[in-house]
Amino acid sequence: TAGITQAPTSQILAAGRSMTLRCTQDMRHNAMYWYRQDLGLGLRLIHYSNTAGTTGKGEVPDGYSVSRANTDDFPLTLASAVPSQTSVYFCASSPVGGENTEAFFGQGTRLTVV
Amino acid sequence: GQNIDQPTEMTATEGAIVQINCTYQTSGFNGLFWYQQHAGEAPTFLSYNVLDGLEEKGRFSSFLSRSKGYSYLLLKELQMKDSASYLCAVRDSNYQLIWGAGTKLIIKP
Repeated sequence: TAGITQAPTSQILAAGRSMTLRCTQDMRHNAMYWYRQDLGLGLRLIHYSNTAGTTGKGEVPDGYSVSRANTDDFPLTLASAVPSQTSVYFCASSPVGGENTEAFFGQGTRLTVV
Repeated sequence: GQNIDQPTEMTATEGAIVQINCTYQTSGFNGLFWYQQHAGEAPTFLSYNVLDGLEEKGRFSSFLSRSKGYSYLLLKELQMKDSASYLCAVRDSNYQLIWGAGTKLIIKP
């Protein structure tokens, strides 16, 4: 079972370039999330989507955009990368409704902006 | 603001017991999660508490006191493979997860 898949696993990107991080899940979860994880900080929410066709801003949305054309895919785009966007990016998904709706994470994308 | 506090790092001995504390101040409360994250890997779900008390799952237990804004994760019979970071997260009134910075647990033989 694939679960949730991210691509690429790592990338070195020149500052000013654009890039799309891909995320696909096969669990038919309604909710999807993009987080960044930096040393000494907790996971910080960039953008989220509670259902296909809707998106929302998280804690640190500036410089990032997302789309949710269907249930399975939730790409994250950096329009013009800056060095402060160097981080590990995690995509996650969860079912909506019920109590114990834990999030399932992809393996992460390690991005270095130089 | 919303805040989750955990110790940065803890050290324990193989075979022993360790308790990792988490205190939180959030806008509303809709459950508390503990995740395990090995270095270079994704977080994986360990436990969930929404009512006060202790939830036991094998060697791992998690406790919650909503009135104190406090939880702990208890790991028994520690194994070397338990060396990892342990993340505490609270789901707030908007059903968004607020994450602590994580506690790095080092297990020594």
